[in-house]
Formats: sequence, structure tokens, C-alpha cells
Amino acid sequence: AQSVTQLGSHVSVSEGALVLLRCNYSSSVPPYLFWYVQYPNQGLQLLLKYTSAATLVKGINGFEAEFKKSETSFHLTKPSAHMSDAAEYFCAVGVGGYNKLIFGAGTRLAVHP
Amino acid sequence: NAGVTQTPKFQVLKTGQSMTLQCAQDMNHEYMSWYRQDPGMGLRLIHYSVGAGITDQGEVPNGYNVSRSTTEDFPLRLLSAAPSQTSVYFCASSPEGGTQYFGPGTRLTVL
Repeated sequence: AQSVTQLGSHVSVSEGALVLLRCNYSSSVPPYLFWYVQYPNQGLQLLLKYTSAATLVKGINGFEAEFKKSETSFHLTKPSAHMSDAAEYFCAVGVGGYNKLIFGAGTRLAVHP
Repeated sequence: NAGVTQTPKFQVLKTGQSMTLQCAQDMNHEYMSWYRQDPGMGLRLIHYSVGAGITDQGEVPNGYNVSRSTTEDFPLRLLSAAPSQTSVYFCASSPEGGTQYFGPGTRLTVL
């Protein structure tokens, strides 16, 4: 069965520092992988998705993620954190495609001056 | 184009009461889903639908019913609310093979 593990429930970085949010997945078939962001009291917004076209995926707001099959990882990065990046981030794997998502527990990112 | 809308935004119920959480989308998406979000557990799939008249269970379906009579609407019913159903509920829709779009959520408290 597919599953997602996000390492670190809370991550804190300084403004301008590298953001690295870790995600490992378990899937018996080539996965569809997603990163979503949730700002306080809002729904989820898609940051980026991996669909096997390219291993390095660029998303919105300067985020990108690299699919590494050998490590079963899909870590999210951003070179320089901004205060507006403070939010909760969820990694998800698609079961049978895009339409049934299994989510990780989430990582709350704090950005301090 | 309103996207995915959910009502109500907040609701407080007593144990044993019933209610329906409403979800509607105006994007003509075939797929619709309900998730619940609990602290430290991410989002978990309750029920989903691949088109009008077709529904199926997700990871945590117990205590919830759904139906899909139209493409636009996908209500979630709690027949007898329990404190364990206190959560934030999200509805999502997607075209076939496409990205899921989420609604703003309904925060439910069961006393």
C-alpha cells in the first residue's frame, strides 16, 4: 500500500536561508507525487507535482522538488526563504493516478527574521 | 468561477445529531472527494466519487455517507455525530487525470 512520510513536523529557518522539507514515499508502482501548501485557515494549494516527465519539478513561488527513485524521496526545496513562505506543507502520493491522494502528516515551516 | 465551495464554514454539533456538509464545484469536474484533517495526521480520504451516481469509500469512511446526484454537488452526511468526528473537512474536485482543487474547509466540533 502507498504511504508518505514527512520527516520533521516543524522546520524553522531564517529569512533568506535554504528551505528543505523532506518527503519519502512508499509505492509499488511508479508514483504520482505532489506537494501542497496550506496557509492558516485556508484550503490546500498545489505547489508542484511529479508525473514522470522530469525528475526535477519546478513549482510556484520558487519551490522545486527532485524525484529520486533510488531513495524513494521527493524533497521540497527553495533557495531563499521569505516570510510569506510560513505555512504548512503536505506531501502526497496519488493512488491509481491523481484522484485519490494519500497525504503525509505535514511539516509546519516557520520563517524568522 | 467560484471553484470549490463548502458550507458551512463552522459548525458545532451535539453527540448524536445529524448534519450535512455541502460541497459544490462549478468547473464541471468528474472527480470529487472528501477529506478530514486532524493534527499530526495530514488529510485522510473519507469518500470519493468518479462521476454522478458513482461513489466509493476511502481510508476512513465509517460514520459518513455520501451521494452524487449531480456533477456539481457532493454532500457529506453525518448520521449520528460523535466526538471523534471533530475535525476540519475539505472537499476537492478534479478533472479526470488532473490536479485536485480544494475548498476552504468546514471546521466541525462535536460536543
